Amino acid sequence: QKEVEQDPGPLSVPEGAIVSLNCTYSNSAFQYFMWYRQYSRKGPELLMYTYSSGNKEDGRFTAQVDKSSKYISLFIRDSQPSDSATYLCAMSLGGYGGATNKLIFGTGTLLAVQP
Amino acid sequence: SQTIHQWPATLVQPVGSPLSLECTVEGTSNPNLYWYRQAAGRGLQLLFYSVGIGQISSEVPQNLSASRPQDRQFILSSKKLLLSDSGFYLCAWSAPGSNQPQHFGDGTRLSIL
Repeated sequence: QKEVEQDPGPLSVPEGAIVSLNCTYSNSAFQYFMWYRQYSRKGPELLMYTYSSGNKEDGRFTAQVDKSSKYISLFIRDSQPSDSATYLCAMSLGGYGGATNKLIFGTGTLLAVQP
Repeated sequence: SQTIHQWPATLVQPVGSPLSLECTVEGTSNPNLYWYRQAAGRGLQLLFYSVGIGQISSEVPQNLSASRPQDRQFILSSKKLLLSDSGFYLCAWSAPGSNQPQHFGDGTRLSIL
């Protein structure tokens, strides 16, 4: 079993739709959760960074963490064609020391927003 | 503001040739630095990380090595490339200390022929 599972998609939605992207994980010790957006042939760009359970909102993006279910989500409201990209979830154990910064990534979900 | 640079963007190398990929960070001091490889359908895999000059930790035993000769410079090397070394190599940085978010460069796409 992979430590982090993510549906690879592709996910195709019409412009203006609400998009829901999800990841599940197996290690209950993960404490920090991230979402990255990656355009083709570019590096990942950090969208959301959250600690422990709860919600965090930034503009059209909302990140949600449910540690009891080991499940994280990213919601995109009013999706735009410019949101078309691969979305990667990532998580880390947290704590002190360089090794605790190690990120475990999902394989990414390819999103296409149709105009 | 902080910026991260990687070069070259694309590289085609023959099997058995050496490799040197460079990453530099601007606008911060004593960053944590990371090398990742991204293979299709497999997500990002951490190869090396460094918390300071000359301090390198290896995550995956392989044909590659890393060095940090200066505070904001991170180099990925190989003496003899294998076909399996093909992939998308990404450098990342985070602020000093623990539990800081990582920020990525735009990567080097390496093809081995």
